[in-house]
Amino acid sequence: NAGVTQTPKFQVLKTGQSMTLQCAQDMNHEYMSWYRQDPGMGLRLIHYSVGAGITDQGEVPNGYNVSRSTTEDFPLRLLSAAPSQTSVYFCASRLRPSGGYEQYFGPGTRLTVT
Amino acid sequence: GQQLNQSPQSMFIQEGEDVSMNCTSSSIFNTWLWYKQEPGEGPVLLIALYKAGELTSNGRLTAQFGITRKDSFLNISASIPSDVGIYFCAGRTSNTGKLIFGQGTTLQVKP
Repeated sequence: NAGVTQTPKFQVLKTGQSMTLQCAQDMNHEYMSWYRQDPGMGLRLIHYSVGAGITDQGEVPNGYNVSRSTTEDFPLRLLSAAPSQTSVYFCASRLRPSGGYEQYFGPGTRLTVT
Repeated sequence: GQQLNQSPQSMFIQEGEDVSMNCTSSSIFNTWLWYKQEPGEGPVLLIALYKAGELTSNGRLTAQFGITRKDSFLNISASIPSDVGIYFCAGRTSNTGKLIFGQGTTLQVKP
């Protein structure tokens, strides 16, 4: 049981490049989400999914796409990277969307866009 | 949108001292959570609170869900150097609602 895993750990992109941040969990969690963390801002929700085939937008979805084709994987796509997307990205998962189940976070991906 | 105000923003204390931090919101929450984040890691859940007035402990940590459901506090007693990190509060308005995070409290402990 590896928990929530994220790859890569670090990434540098040039403005305009695209890339996918990977997130996987092996706990059969229904709910998965992506956050970005910026200094002094806490964590802000980008996109989330309550189950395979279902995704929805969070607080700051612009510039990001997600899909959930399997329960295990929830990749985050940057379509055309911008310097404003320089941040630390965390994936989190939760057993069920409702009830007393809480989120567990991955180790993060540190992204720099130049 | 919903916002959580967490204070203080940072604390620098002596080992052995007690610490207190809190979060307030303009919205009513039905769940309050406290996370700790260490450098280079993701946040780790410390305490979860589900009922107004609930007081829950986890070792030297104690957290309370405010009676008004608009606030929560976290206390750390007899701090030690490994308590260093960023502490986040988070709140949710319903069981299926999104989790909203505070801005974090950075704690430094001087041995």
